[in-house]
Amino acid sequence: AAGVIQSPRHLIKEKRETATLKCYPIPRHDTVYWYQQGPGQDPQFLISFYEKMQSDKGSIPDRFSAQQFSDYHSELNMSSLELGDSALYFCASSLRGQGGPDTQYFGPGTRLTVL
Amino acid sequence: AQTVTQSQPEMSVQEAETVTLSCTYDTSESDYYLFWYKQPPSRQMILVIRQEAYKQQNATENRFSVNFQKAAKSFSLKISDSQLGDAAMYFCAYRSGNQGGKLIFGQGTELSVKP
Repeated sequence: AAGVIQSPRHLIKEKRETATLKCYPIPRHDTVYWYQQGPGQDPQFLISFYEKMQSDKGSIPDRFSAQQFSDYHSELNMSSLELGDSALYFCASSLRGQGGPDTQYFGPGTRLTVL
Repeated sequence: AQTVTQSQPEMSVQEAETVTLSCTYDTSESDYYLFWYKQPPSRQMILVIRQEAYKQQNATENRFSVNFQKAAKSFSLKISDSQLGDAAMYFCAYRSGNQGGKLIFGQGTELSVKP
């Protein structure tokens, strides 16, 4: 079965640079979630989108922005990168509409390293 | 606010034996879902099992089962006939009953399996 696709899988950036992470949800899934997992930490919710509209927002820095496109893929844009942004970034998707089970399935993650 | 607590940072089990991972949560909501996710060394987040709070019957998926005690706000995971491939970090997670809700994770329990 098709899974959530994230690209790139690894990304190395310098401080103050910009990064863009991409997420392609499972086909037919209508909701996308972004999570950040720091070293030795549990995943923390950043933001979610349902049918291309932002549906919830967590502790996402103002330097970060995200959107969901007409084909349901999502991008997380991160500017003015800081050392503390180094983490594993997960995208998850679920089927929420039409009485879907709304269970979140995770992609493999993008490991971002800020030097 | 909802919280999830995993009080066992590390657990160990002998291959073919049974192990139980503990999880407690705090919420004032009556409608919610609970999950166990597995994160092996690859760091992929894999759904293990899901429990709807309105269901009294404990969820079971092959060798994995839960003991859901709603009044005690406890949600433990039992792994039977442990296998080497079960070695991973296990996260307990809570999701509000409203569609599209974010996952709130516990701190995780690192499970090692001894041959």
